[in-house]
Amino acid sequence: GAGVSQSPSNKVTEKGKDVELRCDPISGHTALYWYRQSLGQGLEFLIYFQGNSAPDKSGLPSDRFSAERTGGSVSTLTIQRTQQEDSAVYLCASSFALAREQYFGPGTRLTVT
Amino acid sequence: KNEVEQSPQNLTAQEGEFITINCSYSVGISALHWLQQHPGGGIVSLFMLSSGKKKHGRLIATINIQEKHSSLHITASHPRDSAVYICAVREFIGGGADGLTFGKGTHLIIQP
Repeated sequence: GAGVSQSPSNKVTEKGKDVELRCDPISGHTALYWYRQSLGQGLEFLIYFQGNSAPDKSGLPSDRFSAERTGGSVSTLTIQRTQQEDSAVYLCASSFALAREQYFGPGTRLTVT
Repeated sequence: KNEVEQSPQNLTAQEGEFITINCSYSVGISALHWLQQHPGGGIVSLFMLSSGKKKHGRLIATINIQEKHSSLHITASHPRDSAVYICAVREFIGGGADGLTFGKGTHLIIQP
């Protein structure tokens, strides 16, 4: 079946602009995660959704970052007023339920110029 | 916050060698994941374990909860095993962030 998909695969934006990154999880997966992989920083957790519960936003680096998940499926990560340090690969993952194996999407490479 | 340490950071070996990658963490966890990332490629989950040992093909993962340590072994290594191997842990549900905390990865190169 289809895996986790993300769009766009690459995004170049100017500093100060807003960007939206999209994630389509595997059908039937209730948990959805956003991670960021920065050069030299490794992977870090950003935000997590489980079903209809309020998201765990504990990993968001600043209030410029927000995410929503509509209808318990597709999720959008929004970065407002982008900064150069936001340049990274943004990865989405989903799992069948809490604390189950996570399946990763291919990522969106964001470059802020 | 959990500190996840991997060793070695880089490993180059010859085809056929037995490979061991280590991961240690500082705070009790509910599960540990081993992930594989090929250059320019996506991330694939290899194992998720909370105790004991799991085996899939030439890959074996073990975890010692008391010692807060896990190992990933590759038997009869092959050049196609060349990738970055990442250890990640999940703390107990409700105890903090429910996302994963990652190690910095081990860059493995298997030479033919």
